[in-house]
Amino acid sequence: GENVEQHPSTLSVQEGDSAVIKCTYSDSASNYFPWYKQELGKRPQLIIDIRSNVGEKKDQRIAVTLNKTAKHFSLHITETQPEDSAVYFCAASKGADSNYQLIWGAGTKLIIKP
Amino acid sequence: GAVVSQHPSRVICKSGTSVKIECRSLDFQATTMFWYRQFPKKSLMLMATSNEGSKATYEQGVEKDKFLINHASLTLSTLTVTSAHPEDSSFYICSASDYYNEQFFGPGTRLTVL
Repeated sequence: GENVEQHPSTLSVQEGDSAVIKCTYSDSASNYFPWYKQELGKRPQLIIDIRSNVGEKKDQRIAVTLNKTAKHFSLHITETQPEDSAVYFCAASKGADSNYQLIWGAGTKLIIKP
Repeated sequence: GAVVSQHPSRVICKSGTSVKIECRSLDFQATTMFWYRQFPKKSLMLMATSNEGSKATYEQGVEKDKFLINHASLTLSTLTVTSAHPEDSSFYICSASDYYNEQFFGPGTRLTVL
């Protein structure tokens, strides 16, 4: 079945610097790739997503890139701020073919150092 | 984004009792609803997927007789943990998916079984 690997498990960056989190997926039929941010004790919140017909998507300080050939996608956060500290999860889905299930990465704990 | 509510947010019960958790999509019709379990510092573990009016599809290793799911309408799904035991203590989160594959999460339910 589909497998999603996420790296690193922990990422510590200086406030103002950029952070990059990478994920790889195994099933080439995957066509939807969301990123979620989860603060301690809270629900995961969708921060950005990308579909397989697009190579890059940007929303203010957050961007996601997708390389379908290599089967990997990445989250980029620029000008990091303390409120960016959280656990970030990537996921992959085959849409209706898999009843819209998401296959989740293991998560990355992002720490923003003041 | 879309709003998903989940009740109760916290529940403490005695071993052997049953607990019902409700998940509602408040401003959209959810084609599919998902139930997850999350252990501390871990990723989300999918328990089951449900479509309105049909039986839930459970993931391998999840006991369907213990975790009863009823997807009564396009806006409501319930999870009942039957005869709960301390090992069932966990953070349970539901999510609802629209036609575009995006999943929106409820705030979660912290279950503690004494």
